[in-house]
Amino acid sequence: EPEVTQTPSHQVTQMGQEVILRCVPISNHLYFYWYRQILGQKVEFLVSFYNNEISEKSEIFDDQFSVERPDGSNFTLKIRSTKLEDSAMYFCASSEVGRNYGYTFGSGTRLTVV
Amino acid sequence: GESVGLHLPTLSVQEGDNSIINCAYSNSASDYFIWYKQESGKGPQFIIDIRSNMDKRQGQRVTVLLNKTVKHLSLQIAATQPGDSAVYFCAENKGDDYKLSFGAGTTVTVRA
Repeated sequence: EPEVTQTPSHQVTQMGQEVILRCVPISNHLYFYWYRQILGQKVEFLVSFYNNEISEKSEIFDDQFSVERPDGSNFTLKIRSTKLEDSAMYFCASSEVGRNYGYTFGSGTRLTVV
Repeated sequence: GESVGLHLPTLSVQEGDNSIINCAYSNSASDYFIWYKQESGKGPQFIIDIRSNMDKRQGQRVTVLLNKTVKHLSLQIAATQPGDSAVYFCAENKGDDYKLSFGAGTTVTVRA
C-alpha cells in the first residue's frame, strides 16, 4: 500500500536554529498538507499546498514557517528560527483530490527544541 | 474556538465487547467527518468517513453514526480486539476549505 514517508523520524535542535522536515507524498497525489501535534494534544492543521502554492494556512503558520516542493517528489516544511513551543510531532499528509478525500498521513517527525 | 471535541478522554473495554466512542461538534457548516486511529509513534490512520447527507455508514467491524440535529458523531467498534487499543480522533471538514479540524482524542484500552 502506498505510504507517505517522512524524515527524519526524530530531530533535536537548539532554539533559534533552522530545521527542515522532509516528506515524500504518495506519487499520484496532488494535495499536500502539514499538521502538528503537541504531546498529548490534538492534531492541528498548519498548511495545505496545491499546484506549487499554499492554498490555505492556519494562524500557527506564521512567517517562521515555509513550505516548498523543491522537486517532483519531496515536500518540505522549514522552520526558520525554532522556539521551544515548536516542539511537537509534525505530520505530513497527501491526498489525490482536494477536500481531504483519501487523506494519507505519514508517521511523523518528532521535533524537540532545546 | 474548538469546533470538534470528544466526550470522554479514555475508554477501557473488555476484549470481545463492543466499543462506542463519541464526538461532539459545534460547526453546523461541517459536511464531512472522519474517524482516525492513532497508535503510539504513528500518524493518524483513516478508519471510516461519513458525509452529512448520511446518518450511518458501516465498514469492517466499524460503524459511524451521525446525528446532525444534536451535532454528534460516534464510532462503534464491534468485538473489540487488543489491536484496537489506540487513540481515536474525530475530524471534520466544513466544505469550503482544505483543512481537517480534529477533536481532542479518546484513548481506548482493550483489556484481555
